[in-house]
Amino acid sequence: NAGVTQTPKFRILKIGQSMTLQCAQDMNHNYMYWYRQDPGMGLKLIYYSVGAGITDKGEVPNGYNVSRSTTEDFPLRLELAAPSQTSVYFCASSSPGLEAANEKLFFGSGTQLSVL
Amino acid sequence: GENVEQHPSTLSVQEGDSAVIKCTYSDSASNYFPWYKQELGKGPQLIIDIRSNVGEKKDQRIAVTLNKTAKHFSLHITETQPEDSAVYFCAGGYNKLIFGAGTRLAVHP
Repeated sequence: NAGVTQTPKFRILKIGQSMTLQCAQDMNHNYMYWYRQDPGMGLKLIYYSVGAGITDKGEVPNGYNVSRSTTEDFPLRLELAAPSQTSVYFCASSSPGLEAANEKLFFGSGTQLSVL
Repeated sequence: GENVEQHPSTLSVQEGDSAVIKCTYSDSASNYFPWYKQELGKGPQLIIDIRSNVGEKKDQRIAVTLNKTAKHFSLHITETQPEDSAVYFCAGGYNKLIFGAGTRLAVHP
């Protein structure tokens, strides 16, 4: 299994441009997540999905959109890139256990995005 | 709002020493507390987790303790090795995880 695969690894955008960060997992996990990681700030949840066709906002959803048409894929869309969206983005997936929906997250290797 | 605070932000130890990282949480409903290790250029990886019905859990050289009354939990690494050098994140939550800001651990040979 490849686990969680993110593309691209690096990207530079100009202000106002748009792009889609791709995320795919081959573990048949129902739950998928998008986080952003800023220096000294830990990981902040942007959006998450509990299954195909279902998405919900996390802590910092403004400026982003997601879709979940299949179990495997969970793309993150930036419509009008702003400098505040410069960050490292991580996709993750999990297969929830009996007690918690957020167990044992498997993370991708990240996308480093700069908006200039 | 819900918050998880993590200390220290950086930690430097000699190989063979122990390292302790501490976290506090604000949401009393939190029942799950994982620890993630992030190596340079990679995504975080789960190393150990604990539930609120357990006070301590150990896995070889790493252990986690939880004090529900005080709302804090700690990661203990014994006999540190250079390959333990990484950024460590604590997290806590009920249905949604809140992450701490991370601790950069450096183990010097």
